[in-house]
Amino acid sequence: AQSVTQPDIHITVSEGASLELRCNYSYGATPYLFWYVQSPGQGLQLLLKYFSGDTLVQGIKGFEAEFKRSQSSFNLRKPSVHWSDAAEYFCAVVAFSGGYNKLIFGAGTRLAVHP
Amino acid sequence: DTGVSQDPRHKITKRGQNVTFRCDPISEHNRLYWYRQTLGQGPEFLTYFQNEAQLEKSRLLSDRFSAERPKGSFSTLEIQRTEQGDSAMYLCASSSNRGYEQYFGPGTRLTVT
Repeated sequence: AQSVTQPDIHITVSEGASLELRCNYSYGATPYLFWYVQSPGQGLQLLLKYFSGDTLVQGIKGFEAEFKRSQSSFNLRKPSVHWSDAAEYFCAVVAFSGGYNKLIFGAGTRLAVHP
Repeated sequence: DTGVSQDPRHKITKRGQNVTFRCDPISEHNRLYWYRQTLGQGPEFLTYFQNEAQLEKSRLLSDRFSAERPKGSFSTLEIQRTEQGDSAMYLCASSSNRGYEQYFGPGTRLTVT
């Protein structure tokens, strides 16, 4: 069965520092992967997606992610974090079943940004 | 594109009461999903609609839960005889037939006292 693991529950970085959030997936075929961000009390906003092609994908708000099939990973990166990036980040994989699809999410990584 | 909207944003109810939530998807999207998110967890799939047809329900969706999408537009999620374990954020998402991206609404936070 498909699954997503986000090993880091909580990460704290200083404003201006670089960021990498880890995501590992379990899926037999080529996965369709997403990163979403959730601010407190809000829904999820799509940051970026990977379906195929270039393994380094760019998203909104200066985020990028790299797909590494050999490591079953899809890590999210940002070169310089802003205080407004403090939020919870979710990695997700598309699961196909019986002609429809759904998202399988990791447990999330909560990012805190120190001034 | 006005995005996915959900109503109400917050609901506090007493155990045993019935509650109903509404979701309005992005207008041209024919796929609609409900997810539940508990504290410290990622969203978990509850159910899926293709137009007005409910095509899949998770085992998380007990007999007390029912969802509808009349005319393939907005959707409602009803919980009967609420229990404290139903306290969670209920998220609605929609997508088109052309892609796998799902766009989420702001969610309805349910608190059962």
